[in-house]
Amino acid sequence: DSGVTQTPKHLITATGQRVTLRCSPRSGDLSVYWYQQSLDQGLQFLIQYYNGEERAKGNILERFSAQQFPDLHSELNLSSLELGDSALYFCASSVGSGVGELFFGEGSRLTVL
Amino acid sequence: GIQVEQSPPDLILQEGANSTLRCNFSDSVNNLQWFHQNPWGQLINLFYIPSGTKQNGRLSATTVATERYSLLYISSSQTTDSGVYFCAVFGVGGSGSRLTFGEGTQLTVNP
Repeated sequence: DSGVTQTPKHLITATGQRVTLRCSPRSGDLSVYWYQQSLDQGLQFLIQYYNGEERAKGNILERFSAQQFPDLHSELNLSSLELGDSALYFCASSVGSGVGELFFGEGSRLTVL
Repeated sequence: GIQVEQSPPDLILQEGANSTLRCNFSDSVNNLQWFHQNPWGQLINLFYIPSGTKQNGRLSATTVATERYSLLYISSSQTTDSGVYFCAVFGVGGSGSRLTFGEGTQLTVNP
């Protein structure tokens, strides 16, 4: 158990819908990272928050957004879903920003039908 | 951004065999981690090793930062070692904001 909690573990929805994925970091960690793993793209960095502020942005689509709340949990919002958004979405946390070990949650498997 | 290359892409072993997985990276790094993704999709931390050598049971890792590579050694492999092994790095400077993953090595250990 990494200490990073992600919900839901599995999600099936239809094209055009909107979903929210939730992540609770390890106790004491200030950084939260979101990654997408699809079959043809590998593990791709989406976005990072540090202590409530956006710190870095990767290949995140405009239809996707995220935020980190004062209690440090984070949510990833995916809207106008397409078939190609089907993937495993991981959240990771670390103490600092840019250094130190990252710990990953078990992932949220999204299937868009 | 920083490039991470892993080799071999696929590896098939008999139980009990030893193996070496390699990770090459294109720039200086602040952080290097090895992960095992099991068949259920979980990413399990194996090593945090920006430099030097570490051992944990049958697994060990060495990173030579000056030559920009890291090696993961698996000895006396077991069927439960099957899965994908990822190397990931935080680059220095502009690449330091995210952990960049290699494509992984798919390991299959047969009984």
